[in-house]
Amino acid sequence: AQSVTQLGSHVSVSEGALVLLRCNYSSSVPPYLFWYVQYPNQGLQLLLKYTSAATLVKGINGFEAEFKKSETSFHLTKPSAHMSDAAEYFCAVSAEQMNYGGSQGNLIFGKGTKLSVKP
Amino acid sequence: EAGVTQSPTHLIKTRGQQATLRCSPISGHTSVYWYQQALGLGLQFLLWYDEGEERNRGNFPPRFSGRQFPNYSSELNVNALELEDSALYLCASSPGRKTQYFGPGTRLLVL
Repeated sequence: AQSVTQLGSHVSVSEGALVLLRCNYSSSVPPYLFWYVQYPNQGLQLLLKYTSAATLVKGINGFEAEFKKSETSFHLTKPSAHMSDAAEYFCAVSAEQMNYGGSQGNLIFGKGTKLSVKP
Repeated sequence: EAGVTQSPTHLIKTRGQQATLRCSPISGHTSVYWYQQALGLGLQFLLWYDEGEERNRGNFPPRFSGRQFPNYSSELNVNALELEDSALYLCASSPGRKTQYFGPGTRLLVL
């Protein structure tokens, strides 16, 4: 069974500082991993995804994440925070549906990390 | 390209009533997923439809049900509403790969 743990429910950084949001996963099969962002009163927007190709994945808005199998991690980073980055970030793993060929499945989400950016 | 759309944006019901939420996937996407985001409970998987059939459901009672229409749009029905059903309900669609694209959600308030 898959699971996701996001360390830190709240992270606060200064504008221009490095953003690091932590995500560790558990999966019995090679995982597909995702980061989504949710702005207040909105749905989820895909930031980036790892689907077993390059281990360093670049996404939108200057975010990137590195898949580290040995550490079972998929941390999200951004070199310089902007005020507009303030939002809640969710890490997710795609559940394998072994009774449907293992090719599709629902997402299992972490509990989310709320990012605050101080001026 | 239009994204996933959901209606209504807000819905207010009283305990015991029924709620119907609707979702239109991105054109060409055949899979639709429903998730509940309740305060303090995080994002929980509700239902998955593909090619008109229910493929999987999460750990929710049978009063949560739905269907997928021939045009791949979907409906989520919640019967006998309870106060704890108050939440943001998110719909996502997928083109058959693992990437899911989310709509803006329907916020359901049960009084």
